[in-house]
Amino acid sequence: NAGVMQNPRHLVRRRGQEARLRCSPMKGHSHVYWYRQLPEEGLKFMVYLQKENIIDESGMPKERFSAEFPKEGPSILRIQQVVRGDSAAYFCASSPLENEAFFGQGTRLTVV
Amino acid sequence: QQQVKQSPQSLIVQKGGISIINCAYENTAFDYFPWYQQFPGKGPALLIAIRPDVSEKKEGRFTISFNKSAKQFSLHIMDSQPGDSATYFCAASMMSGSRLTFGEGTQLTVNP
Repeated sequence: NAGVMQNPRHLVRRRGQEARLRCSPMKGHSHVYWYRQLPEEGLKFMVYLQKENIIDESGMPKERFSAEFPKEGPSILRIQQVVRGDSAAYFCASSPLENEAFFGQGTRLTVV
Repeated sequence: QQQVKQSPQSLIVQKGGISIINCAYENTAFDYFPWYQQFPGKGPALLIAIRPDVSEKKEGRFTISFNKSAKQFSLHIMDSQPGDSATYFCAASMMSGSRLTFGEGTQLTVNP
């Protein structure tokens, strides 16, 4: 049973480009969460999705950030027009229930 | 608003000693309290979790103590080993909300 799969593991983008981060939840998990971790800080909630629905996006910046979890395929976190402050590790977690969250290995985004 | 406060920020323990990490929360609606372990370059891994209907939960060398009236909970690592050296995060969530609110993390170093 594969764990939560995130790709790419490392992503380098120039300022102004778009970053697309993908997350495939564990088999049987229909809840997906995205968190951001700045260097030497804790994880901050961004968005909670179920298939084809955004349940809670209260942690998502209002501009440039969007997320989706389509009926087929992985969940996508999209960051448009990236800036240096977007450099961070982005973690996806999935769960079959609302509390038992299992995390992926993360995508480390570097904006140059 | 920081809803989960974690201390200490860093901790150095000798091999065989007891590591103790403390967390305090503000939101009385929280009813699920997990601890995560994170190694450098990896995603957080669920270590142990507790719900407020019990005051203590033990799994191997790891114990959570929970004080509902004080709104505090702590992680005890008995017989600490160098392999336990990692960053530990406490977290909290509500059944209905599901998003995890994390503490700032404790960097544990166990010296051989």
